[in-house]
Formats: sequence, structure tokens, C-alpha cells
Amino acid sequence: SQKIEQNSEALNIQEGKTATLTCNYTNYSPAYLQWYRQDPGRGPVFLLLIRENEKEKRKERLKVTFDTTLKQSLFHITASQPADSATYLCALEGGSYIPTFGRGTSLIVHP
Amino acid sequence: EAGVAQSPRYKIIEKRQSVAFWCNPISGHATLYWYQQILGQGPKLLIQFQNNGVVDDSQLPKDRFSAERLKGVDSTLKIQPAKLEDSAMYLCASVTSGSNRGEQFFGPGTRLTVL
Repeated sequence: SQKIEQNSEALNIQEGKTATLTCNYTNYSPAYLQWYRQDPGRGPVFLLLIRENEKEKRKERLKVTFDTTLKQSLFHITASQPADSATYLCALEGGSYIPTFGRGTSLIVHP
Repeated sequence: EAGVAQSPRYKIIEKRQSVAFWCNPISGHATLYWYQQILGQGPKLLIQFQNNGVVDDSQLPKDRFSAERLKGVDSTLKIQPAKLEDSAMYLCASVTSGSNRGEQFFGPGTRLTVL
């Protein structure tokens, strides 16, 4: 069955550093992969979508890479700020697959 | 543009009672999803609508959960009877069509507590 893995441990970093979050998947050939931000008690907010034929996507301080050979996506936040503290979810979809989310990784940016 | 609306925001019921959630997606979005998110986990898809038709409900516990989207706009999700393990956040999301397909717009969710 399809499986998505995100680090269950919280990522703690200092303000100004680059945060890197990982999403690995198995038994999956998604057409695209998405990253969402979720704050406590609120619905997820879309950040970036990357398609299977794309290697990298950028939006302001955010960068996503997608390696379909390694079955891995990396999500980077450069010049991180305390306001970036949240849970970040990756989601895969496409083809015959229904949207499937990982459990998310909590990011804590310390001032 | 207005976002996805959901109500109620919070609901507390006792086990074996019934409950209903309402969702109004972004205008023009043909695809609508209902998700269940248990604390500490990612959202799990319950049902997907395309206009007023069901695309996927393979993960919907059909013995107690039902959903409809009669006019292809707003949708309701019902649980009857509720169990303790149904305590979760219920999220509705809608998706645009065209080149931005895939980007999901989520509502604020309904936090359900079953006692």
C-alpha cells in the first residue's frame, strides 16, 4: 500500500537559518506533490505544488525539490522566521491515486 | 474571493448521537473533498465529489458516515451513530480546475468531540 513518511520529530532551528523538511514515499507514482502549512486548530494552507516532470520549484523564501527516482521531496525555508513555526504537510496525488497526506513535521524557529 | 466556509466550528456530542457538518466551497470549484484529521496525524480523505457525483468514497465508513452534494455546490457530512474514535477535525477542501488543478483550499474545519 502507499506510504508517505515525514519526520515525526519536531525540527528546531535558529532564526535566519534554512529549514529543510523531508517527505519520502513508497509504492507510489504520483503525478504531483504538494506542501501545506497547518497552524494549530486551523485548516491546512497550500504553499507549493510540484509536478512529476519538474525538479525544483521556488516561491519567495520557499523551495521544493522532487526526485521521483529517490521517491523524495525536500522542502526548504530560507532565512527562517519565528512566524514560520507551524506543521508542514506533504501530500501526493495524481493518476489513480486519491490525495494522500503525510502526518506532517513540526517546525519551531527560535528567535 | 471568499474562502471555503464550514460550520459549526466546534461540536461536542455523546457517543451514539448523530451529527452533521456543512461546507460551502469556493464559487466555481467543481471538486470538493471531506477529510478527517485525528490529532497528530495528517488529513485522511473520506470522500471526493466532482460536481454532485461521488468520485471516491473508498475510505468512508459507510455504515455510519454519509455525505451528499445535491446541487453540486455545498455539501453535508453526517455521522450516525457517532463513536468515540470519531473525535477529530473534519476538514472540507475545494479545488480549482484548469492549470492550477491540485491546489486545495481548505476551510477552517469542524472540531468534533465525542464523549
